[in-house]
Formats: sequence, structure tokens, C-alpha cells
Amino acid sequence: GAVVSQHPSWVICKSGTSVKIECRSLDFQATTMFWYRQFPKQSLMLMATSNEGSKATYEQGVEKDKFLINHASLTLSTLTVTSAHPEDSSFYICSASGTGASYESSQGRDIQYFGAGTRLSVL
Amino acid sequence: DAKTTQPTSMDCAEGRAANLPCNHSTISGNEYVYWYRQIHSQGPQYIIHGLKNNETNEMASLIITEDRKSSTLILPHATLRDTAVYYCIVTLGGYQKVTFGTGTKLQVIP
Repeated sequence: GAVVSQHPSWVICKSGTSVKIECRSLDFQATTMFWYRQFPKQSLMLMATSNEGSKATYEQGVEKDKFLINHASLTLSTLTVTSAHPEDSSFYICSASGTGASYESSQGRDIQYFGAGTRLSVL
Repeated sequence: DAKTTQPTSMDCAEGRAANLPCNHSTISGNEYVYWYRQIHSQGPQYIIHGLKNNETNEMASLIITEDRKSSTLILPHATLRDTAVYYCIVTLGGYQKVTFGTGTKLQVIP
């Protein structure tokens, strides 16, 4: 239980186009989702926190108009990178915490479960 | 979140116990110690967490000092698949945003 699915796992796009990344909680209700970005040989950097039905809270320095986050349901959050440029090439990772039998039975509560990540390459 | 300090890298022989230390001297009374690991090019994986008592699960053991200022993650019998970056994080819980430090890169050697 407590599985987070992230799609796509890898995407290549042309500069100026937009890319949407999906993050789904498969067997629990993700009341809170987090989006991270990771550059090569660096640690994860939190981009934003989203609660279901609310606007996302962005970390300082993250452009909210460029990185659009939607968390309209308890099982789905999306990150859209608008007008992508080569400097946006990175590894994007989502995580989720929430409620539900499978979530609480998997090592208990208060755990963030992570997706497998999306590698974005902007040409 | 309280700041954590971990060694940059460690080696461990396959089959031996891997002991990964973490200092968190500014931890507050209601903050938990969490450990995650990230295998190359994958999303982080939860390992274990605790408040003040030692914890054990099928993956690892977590030893927290009495003053809670440091902890040690123990992988009892390291395998090559345990090669990863291990992150020690102090936070109020899973609903709270967390800050990932640089972690410890554990290399398990055959």
C-alpha cells in the first residue's frame, strides 16, 4: 500500500513548450502533496506544497506562474512547467502524505511517500 | 525544521552492518527523526522514523540518543542494493514540508 505514481518518467521537449507532470496516490488519499526539483549531484529542493482544494504554497525563489501546480482531487496533483527553457531541465519528484487504510498501515502515519521522479530535458 | 549534519560519504563491506550517524543538536521536543534513502535516479524511499525511543523495522534500526541530539541508522546486513544516498531529516511529521540536506552517500563494497 501507500504507492505514489508519477508520470511521465522521462520527457524531452522543445524550448518554449509546456510540460505537465502527474502525481497520483494509488491507494490512499493524498491531502498534502509536495513537489521537489533535483539537479545533478545535488539534493532535493522543495518547490511547493499543495493541499487538496487549495492554492499551492511556493518556496522562495520558485516562480508560481512558471510552475503551475494543481491539486484538485485527493489522488491527483499536477505540475506544469510553462514555457520551458533548457535551465528548467532537471529531475522533478513529487511526494504525498494523507489518510486511508493503506497509508496508515504502511509503517504508520506521518510519512511522505515519493514518486519515482520525472526527468525533464528541454532542448 | 532542525538542521542535521551527516558525513558526506561512507563505505561498508557487503554483509556487514552499516552505521550511519546524524547530528541534530537543535531538535525540538516534538520533532521526529526520519530517514529516507535515494537510490540513483529514483525517488526517495522511506526507511524509518522515531521520536525518542529506538525503533526497528524490516529495513533498519534507528538509535536515538537520550538527549535526542544525535541518532544512528543501522542497516544490519548491508547488500549492494543498499548503495544509495541516505537522508536524515528532523520534522514535525509527514504533513510538514521537509528540508533535505546533502545526506550520506553509502557505498556498499563487495
